[in-house]
Amino acid sequence: DSGVTQTPKHLITATGQRVTLRCSPRSGDLSVYWYQQSLDQGLQFLIQYYNGEERAKGNILERFSAQQFPDLHSELNLSSLELGDSALYFCASSVVGIHEQYFGPGTRLTVT
Amino acid sequence: GNSVTQMEGPVTLSEEAFLTINCTYTATGYPSLFWYVQYPGEGLQLLLKATKADDKGSNKGFEATYRKETTSFHLEKGSVQVSDSAVYFCALINTASKLTFGTGTRLQVTL
Repeated sequence: DSGVTQTPKHLITATGQRVTLRCSPRSGDLSVYWYQQSLDQGLQFLIQYYNGEERAKGNILERFSAQQFPDLHSELNLSSLELGDSALYFCASSVVGIHEQYFGPGTRLTVT
Repeated sequence: GNSVTQMEGPVTLSEEAFLTINCTYTATGYPSLFWYVQYPGEGLQLLLKATKADDKGSNKGFEATYRKETTSFHLEKGSVQVSDSAVYFCALINTASKLTFGTGTRLQVTL
């Protein structure tokens, strides 16, 4: 158990809908990262937050957004969903100044 | 930009066989290198890391040495077990803080 929690574990929704994925980092970790894992694209970095502020952006679509709250949990919002958005979404967290990231169990999103 | 190249899988071995999974990287600066493992239906677990040239990361019988001259970080284990069956990801991180992953190598160990 990494100490990173993600909810829900599974999500099935229809095209055009909007969903919110939630992540709670390990106790004491200020940085949160979101990754997408799909069969065709592999593991791709989406976005990083540090202590409530956006720190780095990767291959994140404009339809996707994220935020980190004062209690350090983070949410990833996916809107106008398309079939191609079906994937595993992972959250990871890390301590300031330390590079290793600890991953949550992921949320499997299926868009039908 | 940064990139990680791993050997194609799947790799199928008998129990107690020697394992090598090749990983090479391209990066600016001096990245830290990692191996993560993903068991079926689970998230990624950090297996080992190395933060500078010639460092050897080790954990649970797995080892990898950071070779700057060959830009490699090959994963090895002397005697694999059925329970090692999983997908292994090589990854790097530099000052940009985002992990860049290889495509993953599936290992299947049989009795």
